[in-house]
Amino acid sequence: GAGVSQSPSNKVTEKGKDVELRCDPISGHTALYWYRQRLGQGLEFLIYFQGNSAPDKSGLPSDRFSAERTGESVSTLTIQRTQQEDSAVYLCASSLGGHEQFFGPGTRLTVL
Amino acid sequence: GESVGLHLPTLSVQEGDNSIINCAYSNSASDYFIWYKQESGKGPQFIIDIRSNMDKRQGQRVTVLLNKTVKHLSLQIAATQPGDSAVYFCAAPPVSNDMRFGAGTRLTVKP
Repeated sequence: GAGVSQSPSNKVTEKGKDVELRCDPISGHTALYWYRQRLGQGLEFLIYFQGNSAPDKSGLPSDRFSAERTGESVSTLTIQRTQQEDSAVYLCASSLGGHEQFFGPGTRLTVL
Repeated sequence: GESVGLHLPTLSVQEGDNSIINCAYSNSASDYFIWYKQESGKGPQFIIDIRSNMDKRQGQRVTVLLNKTVKHLSLQIAATQPGDSAVYFCAAPPVSNDMRFGAGTRLTVKP
């Protein structure tokens, strides 16, 4: 594909349910980032994958959040026992390891 | 801790005028600074960056100015067009590649 893709584009779930968000980075990009963006706010860093190195998980807000990445391809962000404050747009970005990141369109998560 | 913030949350300009969006940062360790544009319903898009050893960089209709003395960054858009309407973020990644974004400034261009 030409860019970063994310699925689903929208997700509505009930409080307490688990959700899984998917990110397909640009082919060949070694770095992958997840961000959370609440309505009207900036980007909140969640987690960063770089090649085969251990991921930087310093931005994950709680142990309900986890992310995996298969090699240098697809990544999934999992939120367990969702809470209403988890409602946000979750953005994924990839890069070649430099500082220009290419963002996907995001997944809008609504927790009822 | 490090923070990146913006002076104004909203900016409204007339089409054809120049726009100036400001950003303050606190992370002196950043090697470069980046501006992103986020249109409604889309992910942020890279506009321009500037290395910390520069004080000015020009792109197409955009200029970024860096003042390290006061830790201030600005984005100037010449002859602002309706398509420039978006939220603009500055980012100052520390050495660890961990991006830090400001809250953003919403630019509205009036016809």
